[in-house]
Amino acid sequence: QSVLTQPPSASGTPGQRVTISCSGSSSNIGSNTVNWYQQLPGTAPKLLIYSNNQRPSGVPDRFSGSKSGTSASLAISGLQSEDEADYYCAAWDDSLNGHVVFGGGTKLTVL
Amino acid sequence: QLQLQESGPGLVKPSETLSLTCTVSGGSISSSSYYWGWIRQPPGKGLEWIGSIYYSGSTYYNPSLKSRVTISVDTSKNQFSLKLSSVTAADTAVYYCASTILTGPHNWFDPWGQGTLVTVSS
Repeated sequence: QSVLTQPPSASGTPGQRVTISCSGSSSNIGSNTVNWYQQLPGTAPKLLIYSNNQRPSGVPDRFSGSKSGTSASLAISGLQSEDEADYYCAAWDDSLNGHVVFGGGTKLTVL
Repeated sequence: QLQLQESGPGLVKPSETLSLTCTVSGGSISSSSYYWGWIRQPPGKGLEWIGSIYYSGSTYYNPSLKSRVTISVDTSKNQFSLKLSSVTAADTAVYYCASTILTGPHNWFDPWGQGTLVTVSS
């Protein structure tokens, strides 16, 4: 069972806006920033959002992140077929001398 | 631009030690800006962080794997390595190496290597 909780699946039609939630605790999301990774089928994960809401160069502004308290969200607007992928949230956790925790991942289906 | 490439045996016997190396190109592993990390993904499952190392040798390990994991760095070869002892079938996974930003409340992995599948089987 993952330390960060994500819904196992999400879906939307092209053009729609979808959000994926990530719930944690005071020792991880509550104290540290949240990152999101996109994993397209058969490929390595790719950094999508870092430090809660920052996009690396090359990531479309259709992707946005937010954080409030011990929860975070990834929003994808103008959904496209190529957005179909697995999405993972992650954060540093201050407990047990510090370690990285991931969410269990959300499979996004574009209908 | 940083690039990372994992290498090592694709098959390891139960109870033996899994050994992988990550070669960094396009930058120096001795950069003060980065940690270097290992993450794994069992087939059909999610991501699990294994540990991260700084060029000076400072390490952080996943508490659930700490007793079996050693991560080391070889600055002369611009490489860092993973050893996981006493492996079982549960350690079968794609193993990724990644460059890591780890500073204060901020920690992220970018970029990632392409990953290498390691199967534990006799």
